[in-house]
Amino acid sequence: QSVLTQPPSVSGAPGQRVTISCTGSSSNIGAGYDVHWYQQFPGTAPKLLIYGNTERPSGVPDRFSGSKSGTSASLAITGLQAEDEANYYCLSFDISLTNSVFGGGTKLTVL
Amino acid sequence: EVHLVESGGALVQPGESLRLSCAASGFTFSTYWMTWVRQAPGKGLEWVANIKQNGGEKYFVDSVKGRFTISRDNAKNSLYLDMNSLRADDTAIYYCARQRHRNGWYQDYWGQGTLVTVSS
Repeated sequence: QSVLTQPPSVSGAPGQRVTISCTGSSSNIGAGYDVHWYQQFPGTAPKLLIYGNTERPSGVPDRFSGSKSGTSASLAITGLQAEDEANYYCLSFDISLTNSVFGGGTKLTVL
Repeated sequence: EVHLVESGGALVQPGESLRLSCAASGFTFSTYWMTWVRQAPGKGLEWVANIKQNGGEKYFVDSVKGRFTISRDNAKNSLYLDMNSLRADDTAIYYCARQRHRNGWYQDYWGQGTLVTVSS
């Protein structure tokens, strides 16, 4: 049971917009800590996609965007492409654990 | 270019010990916190431990406290994870990652990982 809750899977057709939610609590996201997002393809290391809730590292397409409100955050992907099919993880800091905590991950399927 | 290369993964029996290493290059290693993250086969990511630039602060996930130790050698640009009393549920790919601070912690660069298998 992850401290941060993500849907196990989401799907969308090419060109569509999908969102992945990340729900936390008052000891992590709700406490004001930033949320970060990672993309991971099978057999490879995770790649930073969004940091500081909304910022994109250099090289990440602007089709990817992040937002945060209250105890939750979301990753939005617009203009869905086949190459976006991957696992996505959110990350935040939990003050009660004094740890970083990951969401359980969401598998994105491009139909 | 930032480069992180883990090594030391192996097949070990329950109760045994293992040391993982991470060689860093392409950045000033001594000025960054560093982190270990693991991923059990077919499962999600789990933050394991981190260490401050000078080694003076260290944090661990509850499941490894008292069994794992994190250390670094800034002269060798290297990060280590000493794992004792290994259990089957420690089986995972272990990633070394550079840590950044932005109202909390996150990892911006990751190594390719090294596989630890604990089985009799």
